[in-house]
Amino acid sequence: QSVLTQPPSASGTPGQRVTISCSGSSSNIGTNTVSWYQQLPGTAPKLVIYYNNQRPSGVPDRFSGSKSGASASLAISGLQSEDEADYYCAAWDDSLNGHYVFGTGTKVTVL
Amino acid sequence: QVQLVQSGAEVKKPGASVKVSCKASGYTFTSYDINWVRQATGQGLEWMGWINPNRGNTGYAQKFQGRVTMTRNTSISTAYMELSSLRSDDTAVYYCARGGGGAGRYYTGYWGQGTLVTVSS
Repeated sequence: QSVLTQPPSASGTPGQRVTISCSGSSSNIGTNTVSWYQQLPGTAPKLVIYYNNQRPSGVPDRFSGSKSGASASLAISGLQSEDEADYYCAAWDDSLNGHYVFGTGTKVTVL
Repeated sequence: QVQLVQSGAEVKKPGASVKVSCKASGYTFTSYDINWVRQATGQGLEWMGWINPNRGNTGYAQKFQGRVTMTRNTSISTAYMELSSLRSDDTAVYYCARGGGGAGRYYTGYWGQGTLVTVSS
């Protein structure tokens, strides 16, 4: 049972901007940094944002992240068909001796 | 380049155990944690725990305490996850993922290809 809440779906037409929210608490997002993962169908997750707003090498600058308090967001600008995937937020949670928690996941559809 | 290569698919009966391996290459194995994450079909990602390959210490999600054991063999840069007392709801794809960032700044930058474990009588 995930402690990070995301909307189940989001959509946009090519070229639009889509934003995904991730709501947590003081023990996870409120204290620690957030990362975001993209999972294309049938493949392993891929890191697209770490340290709240940093992009790994090779990730397009269309992807951006932000954090405020115990919530975070992932924005995809200039939406492209290859962005259609599931997206998960994640953060370390300091409760229960510490553990890593993932969000519930958001399916992004390019219309 | 960093690679994590996992062992192949497994079919197990309820009550049995499964051991999945994750061979690392392209970096110093003992410098980064290995995490295990699973995903049931059509479901989200579920973190199971981590192992520090250097010291061998581990941390497990409360849900799996007593049923999961994470180990490593540094001589062959390989991490293992063993899950016992398997049930049908353990059927999932199991991933290993390299941890990074340190305390408060954790993330998993590299992932294995996944191993499908099917539990069926």
